[in-house]
Amino acid sequence: DAKTTQPNSMESNEEEPVHLPCNHSTISGTDYIHWYRQLPSQGPEYVIHGLTSNVNNRMASLAIAEDRKSSTLILHRATLRDAAVYYCILKRPGGGADGLTFGKGTHLIIQP
Amino acid sequence: KAGVTQTPRYLIKTRGQQVTLSCSPISGHRSVSWYQQTPGQGLQFLFEYFSETQRNKGNFPGRFSGRQFSNSRSEMNVSTLELGDSALYLCASSLAGPSNTGELFFGEGSRLTVL
Repeated sequence: DAKTTQPNSMESNEEEPVHLPCNHSTISGTDYIHWYRQLPSQGPEYVIHGLTSNVNNRMASLAIAEDRKSSTLILHRATLRDAAVYYCILKRPGGGADGLTFGKGTHLIIQP
Repeated sequence: KAGVTQTPRYLIKTRGQQVTLSCSPISGHRSVSWYQQTPGQGLQFLFEYFSETQRNKGNFPGRFSGRQFSNSRSEMNVSTLELGDSALYLCASSLAGPSNTGELFFGEGSRLTVL
């Protein structure tokens, strides 16, 4: 089963970069790495996803290790609004329950 | 463009009852998946529907069931409710089917409390 491992919580200061790690040592070649975040009292929202190459969008950057066994979500300049639970999941074509299990994620705390 | 709509937002039931939750996906989205979120277990996958067919199922007992209609709206049902079924039930829709590797769009969830 392809699963991910994330730290339970991380803390950072406002306006500083944040690096959120995710380990997925059993990733398969067709698994995409997805990141979502969940703000209090809301459903999760999509942040970014990638397969092999690093990816950038307006919200964040995704750095994927060369062996794909780990990845890092980078928030370049954290704000208080980035305080949320961040989930790293593996999503494969064809779906499957394993690829859609979010686990408990990383609780990101931003200090002003 | 309207987002994913889940109803009801909050409900309270007693043990042994059954409950039906509804999810209206984003217009044009044909895939709907359901998740259960609890403080102890995090966010767990229940099942996924595409074109009215269940394509994938998580590790939940048969008391949890669902269906999808021709307009892509989906319902999930939990029968013989147990205290441990108290949770936030989330629905997500996506544009393509099981081969989709793109983003999921979540609703705000239905908060179920079982007394």
